[in-house]
Amino acid sequence: DVKVTQSSRYLVKRTGEKVFLECVQDMDHENMFWYRQDPGLGLRLIYFSYDVKMKEKGDIPEGYSVSREKKERFSLILESASTNQTSMYLCASSFFSGQGTNSPLHFGNGTRLTVT
Amino acid sequence: SQQGEEDPQALSIQEGENATMNCSYKTSINNLQWYRQNSGRGLVHLILIRSNEREKHSGRLRVTLDTSKKSSSLLITASRAADTASYFCATDRGSARQLTFGSGTQLTVLP
Repeated sequence: DVKVTQSSRYLVKRTGEKVFLECVQDMDHENMFWYRQDPGLGLRLIYFSYDVKMKEKGDIPEGYSVSREKKERFSLILESASTNQTSMYLCASSFFSGQGTNSPLHFGNGTRLTVT
Repeated sequence: SQQGEEDPQALSIQEGENATMNCSYKTSINNLQWYRQNSGRGLVHLILIRSNEREKHSGRLRVTLDTSKKSSSLLITASRAADTASYFCATDRGSARQLTFGSGTQLTVLP
């Protein structure tokens, strides 16, 4: 069974701090994703990666960056945390099933981040 | 940008009844997926239906897809209290690999 592990379930940080959210998957998936989830807005894609050292912006990349130095690990970085980044952050991974197709996403249990 | 939108936003039914949730989307897709999220947890994949399929079954789940109307429905038959969760549809963006999720339907099954 695929396991996607997010390093923290709950995190409280102060405004202006640099925040690292870590995600590790154990199934050798090529694709990894970071979403944030807010009430009434569903899941919004922040960044994704198709390969090591490769990253692409999603719908709401502002205020975030990512790092993928190893295939199994995808980190989300909040350069200077702000209160509007208080949210549930969800990491997901999937394998590449061919051009123009999508394989199911496997999600971690999320990190609930509070910025005060 | 939101691609899929679920309807209704919330649904409350009695155990044993059927639950139907709908999803509408805006642009052409290769496939559409449904996910479940239990409170405070990550999403779990339920079923994937390709654009050339009209109906798909998995246990008590039945998914339909109407590409002419750009809509899909998820039917859960003989619901159980354990089906209480949020349900999301997700669509691709044509050739892109990433998925876009709707805002979900909160299903409550009363014992």
